[in-house]
Amino acid sequence: AQSVSQHNHHVILSEAASLELGCNYSYGGTVNLFWYVQYPGQHLQLLLKYFSGDPLVKGIKGFEAEFIKSKFSFNLRKPSVQWSDTAEYFCAVNAQRGRRALTFGSGTRLQVQP
Amino acid sequence: GAVVSQHPSRVICKSGTSVKIECRSLDFQATTMFWYRQFPKQSLMLMATSNEGSKATYEQGVEKDKFLINHASLTLSTLTVTSAHPEDSSFYICSAPVGSDTQYFGPGTRLTVL
Repeated sequence: AQSVSQHNHHVILSEAASLELGCNYSYGGTVNLFWYVQYPGQHLQLLLKYFSGDPLVKGIKGFEAEFIKSKFSFNLRKPSVQWSDTAEYFCAVNAQRGRRALTFGSGTRLQVQP
Repeated sequence: GAVVSQHPSRVICKSGTSVKIECRSLDFQATTMFWYRQFPKQSLMLMATSNEGSKATYEQGVEKDKFLINHASLTLSTLTVTSAHPEDSSFYICSAPVGSDTQYFGPGTRLTVL
């Protein structure tokens, strides 16, 4: 079975600070990796995804993530956060072969202070 | 991009009543939809996979007689919470895959059972 761990439950940063949110997964096969964001009162939106190829993927709003296969990690980064980045961030995986339902991490609440 | 809607967005009901939640894909057809549940400050947990024209498949621990799923058409799946109790209060979110690896999420339905 797949599992996803997000070790940072609540992160508080000042504007312009750099961000890195950790995500580790456990699965015996090849996976697709995702980061979703949930702004207050809104639905989940896809930030970025990794299927194959270049392990450094760029997403929307200046976010990027790096897939490190040897560490089973897919950490999310942003060099300079803004107040508008305040949201809940979820890492998720699904198997490249098999069902498409996602397994989510527990989420990280990011609070950016102006 | 693809849009998934849910109705209602909020519902409050008395214990023992049944509540129906609709999930619609607005501009694409979805033979499969997923239903997730999100408890406060927790991650999304897959409840079941809704399959058009066949029975839904439920995750371990999810009571299929309590959470009735009907995938009536290629654009509509419904989740009925039967004989709801306060512990069923949660945020219910549906998603529909587009292509092999991308999913679009509905805005969610907040259920409160008194």
